[in-house]
Amino acid sequence: NAGVMQNPRHLVRRRGQEARLRCSPMKGHSHVYWYRQLPEEGLKFMVYLQKENIIDESGMPKERFSAEFPKEGPSILRIQQVVRGDSAAYFCASSPPGTGFRDTQYFGPGTRLTVL
Amino acid sequence: AQKITQTQPGMFVQEKEAVTLDCTYDTSDQSYGLFWYKQPSSGEMIFLIYQGSYDEQNATEGRYSLNFQKARKSANLVISASQLGDSAMYFCAMSPWRGSTLGRLYFGRGTQLTVWP
Repeated sequence: NAGVMQNPRHLVRRRGQEARLRCSPMKGHSHVYWYRQLPEEGLKFMVYLQKENIIDESGMPKERFSAEFPKEGPSILRIQQVVRGDSAAYFCASSPPGTGFRDTQYFGPGTRLTVL
Repeated sequence: AQKITQTQPGMFVQEKEAVTLDCTYDTSDQSYGLFWYKQPSSGEMIFLIYQGSYDEQNATEGRYSLNFQKARKSANLVISASQLGDSAMYFCAMSPWRGSTLGRLYFGRGTQLTVWP
């Protein structure tokens, strides 16, 4: 059973460009979470999605950031008009449908975004 | 609001010794899950252990055990018989229960563990 897949692993963008980060959850998982990790810090929640629905986007900046998890295909985190402060590691995690109390989130390897 | 505190920025332990990594949390939720993740220098996040707030027994997974003290709101990770490969950043995280599923994770700032021979 393949784990959570993220691509690309490293992404370099110039200021003003768009960044698209992809996440394929583990097989059978229908919940996807995106987190951002700045240097020397823990992970900060951004958005929680289920297929075709955004459940909680309270951690997402209001401007320039968007996320989707379509019926078919991977979840996409999109950052428009990137700025240097967007440089970070972006992690995707997935968990199975509500199986009860223990819905462990399994993480992908992350995408390291560098904005020049 | 949820808050996770890891007061040890760095810890050192000799190989084969046990080490405890501290974690305290603050929440008004009655139902929640507590997690520990390991992040080696390669950067991935590896799930280690889970503890539910209503679990009466402390969780164990191989060499990892979670010392859960609900009244003190602490969830310390104990690693027994440390190995060189245990050197990594360790994150404590909490997720409040929302309906039929756990929700977003709240992370501490992490503890960098170094195991020396």
